[in-house]
Amino acid sequence: SAVISQKPSRDICQRGTSLTIQCQVDSQVTMMFWYRQQPGQSLTLIATANQGSEATYESGFVIDKFPISRPNLTFSTLTVSNMSPEDSSIYLCSVRGRKNTEAFFGQGTRLTVV
Amino acid sequence: AQSVTQPDIHITVSEGASLELRCNYSYGATPYLFWYVQSPGQGLQLLLKYFSGDTLVQGIKGFEAEFKRSQSSFNLRKPSVHWSDAAEYFCAVDTLGGSGNTGKLIFGQGTTLQVKP
Repeated sequence: SAVISQKPSRDICQRGTSLTIQCQVDSQVTMMFWYRQQPGQSLTLIATANQGSEATYESGFVIDKFPISRPNLTFSTLTVSNMSPEDSSIYLCSVRGRKNTEAFFGQGTRLTVV
Repeated sequence: AQSVTQPDIHITVSEGASLELRCNYSYGATPYLFWYVQSPGQGLQLLLKYFSGDTLVQGIKGFEAEFKRSQSSFNLRKPSVHWSDAAEYFCAVDTLGGSGNTGKLIFGQGTTLQVKP
């Protein structure tokens, strides 16, 4: 299993500002993902964080709005840029060690934009 | 494209009663399937998974699920529900095996379980 530390756990931000969320894993993992969970909704994949290269974004998500870094196999950041109230969601980091294993999730970052 | 459907958005059962949460998937090959649970304010915890082999899989907290290829279903069951089982339940399918082998998961809409005393 993998233990994921996600920071901050929650934040309240002003519109127009940016927030960077950190995801730290206690072991090297092959795959890291960032999901968004809007209020009362399911999880939607934002992007796959690729180590040492640009992230792979899903349809509807762009790098300018959600820049992602992954400098090594245990750490990644997601930035939510130029925030608006529509960005109020829970953002979750997820990791998988190998392709035939389950995904583990961080506790999430509950973001409220006012 | 792969998809996951959980037909029941909200289910209420009495404590001690049996439970079945439905999950249907759309996928060309044999999928990898998961059930996760999310308690209020928490992240997701894996209940059980199906990769291959026995189609009846046992998970944590007394949950089990059965993979039925003919029905494209992976329903979650528990014989006797406890008040602590009240949470959001998500079914997910692994896109692994399809083109790209990305390893990402596609989630259903979720089912909210309420347990009556």
